[in-house]
Amino acid sequence: LAKTTQPISMDSYEGQEVNITCSHNNIATNDYITWYQQFPSQGPRFIIQGYKTKVTNEVASLFIPADRKSSTLSLPRVSLSDTAVYYCLVGNSTGGGNKLTFGTGTQLKVEL
Amino acid sequence: GAGVSQSPRYKVAKRGQDVALRCDPISGHVSLFWYQQALGQGPEFLTYFQNEAQLDKSGLPSDRFFAERPEGSVSTLKIQRTQQEDSAVYLCASSLDDRGLQPQHFGDGTRLSIL
Repeated sequence: LAKTTQPISMDSYEGQEVNITCSHNNIATNDYITWYQQFPSQGPRFIIQGYKTKVTNEVASLFIPADRKSSTLSLPRVSLSDTAVYYCLVGNSTGGGNKLTFGTGTQLKVEL
Repeated sequence: GAGVSQSPRYKVAKRGQDVALRCDPISGHVSLFWYQQALGQGPEFLTYFQNEAQLDKSGLPSDRFFAERPEGSVSTLKIQRTQQEDSAVYLCASSLDDRGLQPQHFGDGTRLSIL
């Protein structure tokens, strides 16, 4: 499984755009990049998934360069409620299930 | 509710006791996963079910850990002769398919404390 590296923590203020970058130098050809968000005392929640270029949904954007060795989760105009741990995961979609390998994640703290 | 439900939310047991943790996945979800999350760490995979079949139990830390999903829906994670190092949050997740193409939906976990 590809190993990921992301910052341990980040601080931001309400209304700013936050970009969290994840490195995955050993990503395999059939690996996808997935981001999860976790609030205290809750289970992780799927945010976004991508393979290459750019993916956007109602809550975030995911930028993946051509070499796919890194990816950036972009959260537009964060609010206090975006304070959470964000996990970057890399893995392929193989038959028989797709167990997720989490790292320690990035603790995002949003302040007024 | 439509989400993954886990019970109990909190469990306190004395060392040596057996515990059973329950997971109600989203209806119709084929895949079910159990993860263990220590304080300050990301979740770690324990075991995976495809319907009632346990296809991967490579993450179970010892033979004291046992999981079942007899009818392909509700699952139970049992820990026998609990030890203090078993204290953690146990998360259950389910997914619609068995090919890893759909995201996993997590419950809010059971926080297990072993005294």
